[in-house]
Amino acid sequence: GQNIDQPTEMTATEGAIVQINCTYQTSGFNGLFWYQQHAGEAPTFLSYNVLDGLEEKGRFSSFLSRSKGYSYLLLKELQMKDSASYLCAVISDSWGKLQFGAGTQVVVTP
Amino acid sequence: DSGVTQTPKHLITATGQRVTLRCSPRSGDLSVYWYQQSLDQGLQFLIQYYNGEERAKGNILERFSAQQFPDLHSELNLSSLELGDSALYFCASSVGPYSGGTDTQYFGPGTRLTVL
Repeated sequence: GQNIDQPTEMTATEGAIVQINCTYQTSGFNGLFWYQQHAGEAPTFLSYNVLDGLEEKGRFSSFLSRSKGYSYLLLKELQMKDSASYLCAVISDSWGKLQFGAGTQVVVTP
Repeated sequence: DSGVTQTPKHLITATGQRVTLRCSPRSGDLSVYWYQQSLDQGLQFLIQYYNGEERAKGNILERFSAQQFPDLHSELNLSSLELGDSALYFCASSVGPYSGGTDTQYFGPGTRLTVL
């Protein structure tokens, strides 16, 4: 079957670092996305990985290991506005069909 | 603002009814995707169109149908509505698989459907 797993919830303090792990087993792989979603709002694009390694974008970094079916999103210098759900999504076919994980709710506390 | 527009923002209707959700993709995007997000299910892929043609189908019920028009806007039709169809429906668009770059999907603000 096809599976994308990520933790349900994580809590961290303002200014700290949080790492959200995602493991996947899909029939195909053409890249992995991370999206941020605030409650009731649209998912917004954060990062994309298709090759192994680390992609850094300001306070957010994303890592991919294709051989291990594993990715993580690293959020540094956490701010209150980072409290949101973070969705891991895999492109599983050549047409760009995205399969989403259930999302990780990150709660940032003062 | 992603550049993807969806109407209406909210829709309240009764069981058994039929509704149409509308999506306009970002300028230049040829692919349109529809997703359903309910509280207990997460984001579920429904269907994808590319340049007017259906390209991929997910867990879309037979009561649901969609199309993409020549001007590239798309409509999702939901019929014989049930209480369980209450959800957020998102449309996303992307350039398409032949863009030569990352085919990132950008999401519209969604339509919140409530079936009473």
